[in-house]
Amino acid sequence: AQSVTQLGSHVSVSEGALVLLRCNYSSSVPPYLFWYVQYPNQGLQLLLKYTSAATLVKGINGFEAEFKKSETSFHLTKPSAHMSDAAEYFCAVSYSGTYKYIFGTGTRLKVLA
Amino acid sequence: DSGVTQTPKHLITATGQRVTLRCSPRSGDLSVYWYQQSLDQGLQFLIQYYNGEERAKGNILERFSAQQFPDLHSELNLSSLELGDSALYFCASSVDGNGADTQYFGPGTRLTVL
Repeated sequence: AQSVTQLGSHVSVSEGALVLLRCNYSSSVPPYLFWYVQYPNQGLQLLLKYTSAATLVKGINGFEAEFKKSETSFHLTKPSAHMSDAAEYFCAVSYSGTYKYIFGTGTRLKVLA
Repeated sequence: DSGVTQTPKHLITATGQRVTLRCSPRSGDLSVYWYQQSLDQGLQFLIQYYNGEERAKGNILERFSAQQFPDLHSELNLSSLELGDSALYFCASSVDGNGADTQYFGPGTRLTVL
């Protein structure tokens, strides 16, 4: 069955440190992959997406993610965390022709001063 | 602001009641999605409509139904409400609803069932 797994429901990093949020998908067909961010009391907002073009995808707010087919991963990174990055991050996967989006369980990022 | 609007913002009701949540997509978007977000189940895809037609169904209960009208706004109807239906309900829209589309989320409707 197609699924997406986010390792770590809570991640804490110091301000200025590297942010690494993990996402793995399970599928035998090429996926479309997304990272969304949700700030408190708001809806989700797209950070970046992979749709079979470049495997290294750059998004908003300095985030990027790399699609690694051999590892079935799409981890989200940011070189230097900022206090404003504190939010919940969701990885999502979909597939051509299915019209369904599967979201991971989310990772809450805390940034320590 | 994503351009997707949802009303009402908050809804408090009793068990057994029926409510209707409304969503207006971004201008030009033909596809609307509904999601339920709760602490214990995370973000669950409920249903997708494209230009008035149901296109995909997720974990939507039989007590729930939705439709998309000719002006492309959508309504999610929840009936025979139970305590466990308390959640945030999000609507999202996209241009044509294919797998590569970016979804734009509304601010959500917080439903509390007492």
